[in-house]
Amino acid sequence: GDSVTQMEGPVTLSEEAFLTINCTYTATGYPSLFWYVQYPGEGLQLLLKATKADDKGSNKGFEATYRKETTSFHLEKGSVQVSDSAVYFCALSTGRRALTFGSGTRLQVQP
Amino acid sequence: DVKVTQSSRYLVKRTGEKVFLECVQDMDHENMFWYRQDPGLGLRLIYFSYDVKMKEKGDIPEGYSVSREKKERFSLILESASTNQTSMYLCASSLGGSLTYEQYFGPGTRLTVT
Repeated sequence: GDSVTQMEGPVTLSEEAFLTINCTYTATGYPSLFWYVQYPGEGLQLLLKATKADDKGSNKGFEATYRKETTSFHLEKGSVQVSDSAVYFCALSTGRRALTFGSGTRLQVQP
Repeated sequence: DVKVTQSSRYLVKRTGEKVFLECVQDMDHENMFWYRQDPGLGLRLIYFSYDVKMKEKGDIPEGYSVSREKKERFSLILESASTNQTSMYLCASSLGGSLTYEQYFGPGTRLTVT
């Protein structure tokens, strides 16, 4: 079946540091890939997505590139802020069923 | 502004009680979903619905049922609550036609079963 594997957290960074959160997936066919973010006390919200190989999703300074050859969709940001502290979820959908989520990675950014 | 609301943010129930969690969306979405969120496990799909009165089981439907009598409302029912159902429950909705569309989430209901 479909699955998503994310790096375990928490990830603790200082403000303005470079962020990478790794995400790899297993799926049949050609899934769409997503990053969702959950700020403290809130539900999830879509951060970015990519629907085909080599697509780059971007939003709020975050980027992720759909790499079919390595089945990966790593999240990156060049300079994190304290306000980026949240839990980040990688997810996929093949269209045949609802989203399959990874286990989430907590990011803590210190001033 | 799109909105998914859930009836309670926090709920405490006793073992064996019947529990109703309500979700309402105002975006005229066809698809609605119920997930539970547990530390280290991410989100797991309980049930989803792609139309009024239509439902499909997700990954962990045991001990749960759902009801969708109106397009905007999707209810999750715990027939006889147990302590292993203590969790955060998240409702989501999306446009119909494809399951790859963005899902919009409610704020969640943290349920404690004692």
